[in-house]
Amino acid sequence: DAKTTQPTSMDCAEGRAANLPCNHSTISGNEYVYWYRQIHSQGPQYIIHGLKNNETNEMASLIITEDRKSSTLILPHATLRDTAVYYCIVRADKLIFGTGTRLQVFP
Amino acid sequence: DAGVTQSPTHLIKTRGQQVTLRCSPKSGHDTVSWYQQALGQGPQFIFQYYEEEERQRGNFPDRFSGHQFPNYSSELNVNALLLGDSALYLCASSLKRSRLNQPQHFGDGTRLSIL
Repeated sequence: DAKTTQPTSMDCAEGRAANLPCNHSTISGNEYVYWYRQIHSQGPQYIIHGLKNNETNEMASLIITEDRKSSTLILPHATLRDTAVYYCIVRADKLIFGTGTRLQVFP
Repeated sequence: DAGVTQSPTHLIKTRGQQVTLRCSPKSGHDTVSWYQQALGQGPQFIFQYYEEEERQRGNFPDRFSGHQFPNYSSELNVNALLLGDSALYLCASSLKRSRLNQPQHFGDGTRLSIL
């Protein structure tokens, strides 16, 4: 199973873009990159996923490098409600959660 | 469109007892996975059910067992409860028959406390 590396914590000012990096240098050719977030006391919430092309939905954008060894989740206009732990995962069936990045959005 | 629902939301048991947790998958999903999340840690995969059979299993003892019903709902059973089983138990559902690696969607979990 591919492993991921994320910063432990990040801060972001409200209204600014939050860019959350993830390294997954051992990802295999057919593994997708998934992003989830978990707000305290709730289940993980699916955000976005991709294989090799950049993806965008109503929540976020996902930028995957050409060699697929890293990716960045972008929240274009962070709000206080985006404060959560963000997990980057590279397998679909058996999700292996690391420690994630604790994003704190401040006013 | 109902999402993943889990019951009960909270449960208190004592050591040695047995517990059953329930999960109804998101409409249209046929696969259910269970995860255990201890306080301050990320969720850990317990097992996955598809077509009423256990398909994958994580590093959990046989005290943890499950079942999937014909309507795709699922149960997680834990026997001989230990203090260390205190955790948030999460259910996630997905659609297996997809070529697009559709993501799993989670419920809000059952918080189990062992006294």
